[in-house]
Amino acid sequence: DAGVIQSPRHEVTEMGQEVTLRCKPISGHNSLFWYRQTMMRGLELLIYFNNNVPIDDSGMPEDRFSAKMPNASFSTLKIQPSEPRDSAVYFCASSFVGLNTEAFFGQGTRLTVV
Amino acid sequence: EDQVTQSPEALRLQEGESSSLNCSYTVSGLRGLFWYRQDPGKGPEFLFTLYSAGEEKEKERLKATLTKKESFLHITAPKPEDSATYLCAVAWQGGSEKLVFGKGTKLTVNP
Repeated sequence: DAGVIQSPRHEVTEMGQEVTLRCKPISGHNSLFWYRQTMMRGLELLIYFNNNVPIDDSGMPEDRFSAKMPNASFSTLKIQPSEPRDSAVYFCASSFVGLNTEAFFGQGTRLTVV
Repeated sequence: EDQVTQSPEALRLQEGESSSLNCSYTVSGLRGLFWYRQDPGKGPEFLFTLYSAGEEKEKERLKATLTKKESFLHITAPKPEDSATYLCAVAWQGGSEKLVFGKGTKLTVNP
């Protein structure tokens, strides 16, 4: 298996633009997580899906952020409109069963909003 | 109050100089404590899961231990390739499946 695949690896966009980050989890995994990593706050969980259903989105910073998982092999995280403070590395991770088993992370998307 | 605190923030060692990293947590009803390694520009890579106090796990030069309030990652005779940021995370009962990470310890091993 190729592991968790994220795209794009880097994204530079202007403030106010819509940004869509994509994730393909490991085949057979039933849980998917979106994290954001910054120097100040470290790794923060944004949202967690189980069997394609959002279970906990309390980490989503505000209404500008939305996430979908239309099927077991694809998820998106959308920011609209983007702001400079959204600049960070966004990681997608997947696991089997839930959080008591190890999560495997993708390579991340480095987002820069100017 | 942070639920997971890692110390030190950064650690410099000479090759072969053993040391330990600390991860303390304040949550109740621990379901699991996880150690990850993160290299620059990459996603965290899973190392260990510990479930109960007294448990220990080893992998090459790394050994993780767990008590009721903290975990240690012991590094024995480290090599330069062990240089990375080491992250600790916890999951707990009533935490709505959240996996909360500490801010990590950046380890540098000089040859």
